[in-house]
Amino acid sequence: SQTIHQWPATLVQPVGSPLSLECTVEGTSNPNLYWYRQAAGRGLQLLFYSVGIGQISSEVPQNLSASRPQDRQFILSSKKLLLSDSGFYLCAWQRSSGNTIYFGEGSWLTVV
Amino acid sequence: GEDVEQSLFLSVREGDSSVINCTYTDSSSTYLYWYKQEPGAGLQLLTYIFSNMDMKQDQRLTVLLNKKDKHLSLRIADTQTGDSAIYFCAESFSGNTPLVFGKGTRLSVIA
Repeated sequence: SQTIHQWPATLVQPVGSPLSLECTVEGTSNPNLYWYRQAAGRGLQLLFYSVGIGQISSEVPQNLSASRPQDRQFILSSKKLLLSDSGFYLCAWQRSSGNTIYFGEGSWLTVV
Repeated sequence: GEDVEQSLFLSVREGDSSVINCTYTDSSSTYLYWYKQEPGAGLQLLTYIFSNMDMKQDQRLTVLLNKKDKHLSLRIADTQTGDSAIYFCAESFSGNTPLVFGKGTRLSVIA
């Protein structure tokens, strides 16, 4: 069966510090991978998605970036965090040419 | 364009039925989904319906799809306190395209 994990689960970072959130999927190959953000009390905002290694589509211009160094690994990064980057970050996967997406447990980021 | 709308809040008494509604604008959707998000957790797939169906039942859950009106609903029978969560409606399209999500409906169950 397929599993998805993301970490860390919680982090508190000062403004201006870097960020790295990691997500891995097991039990499938060549998945589509997604990063979403959910601000407090708000809906889901699609940040990035990837249909293959090195292929990243950005939905929202901001100070975040994503990379896919391996088939089942998706990394969300920032060089300098802003207060407005605080939120709940969700990684998700989807079978290639599939429909349903499956979410990870989420990572809480608080920028102080 | 793609847009999915849901009401933000719903409050029901324990044991009553809950009906969460969703409207969408793009008629080319292939599947429509309901996800559940409990506090502090990721989204859990609850159920989905193929766009050529009009009803799907799964235990206490009933999904109704009115494709003509582009309206999707989720009915939860005998609502329990454990059903308190945010429910997201989403639609998908063919090919490698992301799902489009609504903003979520927060269901509060009063004991």
